[in-house]
Amino acid sequence: SYVLTQPPSVSVAPGKTARITCGGNNIGSKSVHWYQQKPGQAPVLVIYYDSDRPSGIPERFSGSNSGNTATLTISRVEAGDEADYYCQVWDSSSDLVVFGGGTKLTVL
Amino acid sequence: QVTLRESGPALVKPTQTLTLTCTFSGFSLSTSGMCVSWVRQPPGKALEWLALIDWDDDKYYSTSLKTRLTISKDTSKNQVVLTMTNMDPVDTATYYCARTLAVAGTNYFDYWGQGTLVTVSS
Repeated sequence: SYVLTQPPSVSVAPGKTARITCGGNNIGSKSVHWYQQKPGQAPVLVIYYDSDRPSGIPERFSGSNSGNTATLTISRVEAGDEADYYCQVWDSSSDLVVFGGGTKLTVL
Repeated sequence: QVTLRESGPALVKPTQTLTLTCTFSGFSLSTSGMCVSWVRQPPGKALEWLALIDWDDDKYYSTSLKTRLTISKDTSKNQVVLTMTNMDPVDTATYYCARTLAVAGTNYFDYWGQGTLVTVSS
């Protein structure tokens, strides 16, 4: 089955840039979606189709996908960005949704 | 305005069957590309996809749980029901339903319910 690998944690100072990776075999051939989940809340879609932002998501959130790695980039990080972030794909070869293990973003 | 709400028991006993209902508004599950999924999250752990049902009544299940899961829809009532048999304490989790868009060969979750915590204990 298809596996997505995320670092368990990423730390960044306020105002700096955070990059959260999502690794998978030839993930560049798939569409990657990203979710933000704050404690006690439901996940929120922040990036879909690798790099598109839903309405209401700040431009500071961006995404890229190539080769074996997709990346969620958060520019000018704010304290309010502290959350768990999950990547997700649809594996069409097995008709399954796959989530990464999640990355906890800590704002120092 | 799209909303989804999960309902069901907060506590089930081991070996019992769990039945959860997702009641939604703001979209129709008979529209091409529209789907509803169930996702769960054990306390302190990652998201785990369980099942998806699409506008054409096609159903997809997590490989590890497919023998225990059944997903169904009632389009007239705007509801999707998930049943999970033979519940075990390891199934204790918050269960979410989410609107799922199936477009261009992929699926993603654009709206989520608030989630419902299900505890499995005798």
